[in-house]
Amino acid sequence: AQSVTQLGSHVSVSEGALVLLRCNYSSSVPPYLFWYVQYPNQGLQLLLKYTTGATLVKGINGFEAEFKKSETSFHLTKPSAHMSDAAEYFCAVSDKGYSTLTFGKGTMLLVSP
Amino acid sequence: DSGVTQTPKHLITATGQRVTLRCSPRSGDLSVYWYQQSLDQGLQFLIQYYNGEERAKGNILERFSAQQFPDLHSELNLSSLELGDSALYFCASSVDEGSSTDTQYFGPGTRLTVL
Repeated sequence: AQSVTQLGSHVSVSEGALVLLRCNYSSSVPPYLFWYVQYPNQGLQLLLKYTTGATLVKGINGFEAEFKKSETSFHLTKPSAHMSDAAEYFCAVSDKGYSTLTFGKGTMLLVSP
Repeated sequence: DSGVTQTPKHLITATGQRVTLRCSPRSGDLSVYWYQQSLDQGLQFLIQYYNGEERAKGNILERFSAQQFPDLHSELNLSSLELGDSALYFCASSVDEGSSTDTQYFGPGTRLTVL
């Protein structure tokens, strides 16, 4: 069975600071990994995904994530936070056979001026 | 705007009642997925349909059922509602039948409140 752990239900940063949201997964097969963002009162939007190939994945809005198999991690980063980044972020995993997603509990990113 | 539409946006009902949530996928997408988001359980996969056929099943209660119609829209039926069924229900769609590289696009959700 797959599972996803997101460390920290809330992360606070100042505008312009580095954003780091942590995600660790467990999977019995090589995983496909995803980050989604949910803005208030909206659905989920795909930020980026890792399937195969390059382990550093670039997404929308300046976000990127690196797949580290040895650490079973897929942390999300952005060099400089913007107020508009305030939202809830979800890490998700699926195995190769199915596209059904297993989500982490989510991390709320708070950005202060 | 993801192109996935869900109706209604909000639904308030009483315990024991039955409701139907509707989802229209993006144009060209053949798969529809249903998810439940609640404070205690987080975001959970319920069920997937591909081109009218059930493709995968997750943590869906027996009181819940879904179907996908020939025009590819989908309905999620929730019956004998309990207070704990109050949640945000998302529909997502994708082009493919189940490839993990397939991207899921999420609708805005239906917020169900059971009183």
